Amino acid sequence: NAGVMQNPRHLVRRRGQEARLRCSPMKGHSHVYWYRQLPEEGLKFMVYLQKENIIDESGMPKERFSAEFPKEGPSILRIQQVVRGDSAAYFCASSDLPSSRTGNTEAFFGQGTRLTVV
Amino acid sequence: DQQVKQNSPSLSVQEGRISILNCDYTNSMFDYFLWYKKYPAEGPTFLISISSIKDKNEDGRFTVFLNKSAKHLSLHIVPSQPGDSAVYFCAGLTDSWGKLQFGAGTQVVVTP
Repeated sequence: NAGVMQNPRHLVRRRGQEARLRCSPMKGHSHVYWYRQLPEEGLKFMVYLQKENIIDESGMPKERFSAEFPKEGPSILRIQQVVRGDSAAYFCASSDLPSSRTGNTEAFFGQGTRLTVV
Repeated sequence: DQQVKQNSPSLSVQEGRISILNCDYTNSMFDYFLWYKKYPAEGPTFLISISSIKDKNEDGRFTVFLNKSAKHLSLHIVPSQPGDSAVYFCAGLTDSWGKLQFGAGTQVVVTP
């Protein structure tokens, strides 16, 4: 059973370009969470999605960032017109239940995508 | 708004000794607290959790203690092993959607 798969592992973009980060959750998982880790900081929640629905996007910057989790295919985190401050590691986690029901032992993280904006 | 704080950015401990990692929080509404371990270039791996209604949870070499009145929790690793060298994140689980609030992490180095 493959774990959470994120690609690409590394992504380099010039300022003003678009970045697309993909996350395939574990088989059977329908809940996806995106987190961002800036240098020297902990992971910060960005968005929580279920299939075809955004449940909580309270951590998403109001502009340039969007996320989706279509019925078929991976979840996509899209950053338009990237700036240097977007450089970070972006992690995706998936679970088969809302985590608070069982203490989150079912939430598994991918290896992350390291975005570098030059 | 930093709801979870890990004030020690690093910790060095000898192999075989106890590692104690500390975490403070400000949000009284956390239902669970979790510890994650992270190696470089990898995603966080779940280590151990504790319900907010408990004060201790033990799993092998790992024990987490929760002091709700002080809003403080700690992770004890005993005995420490070289493979424990990693960054450890404390996290609080808030609201029913499973959103995690992470601390900044503590880098643990276990020396021979």
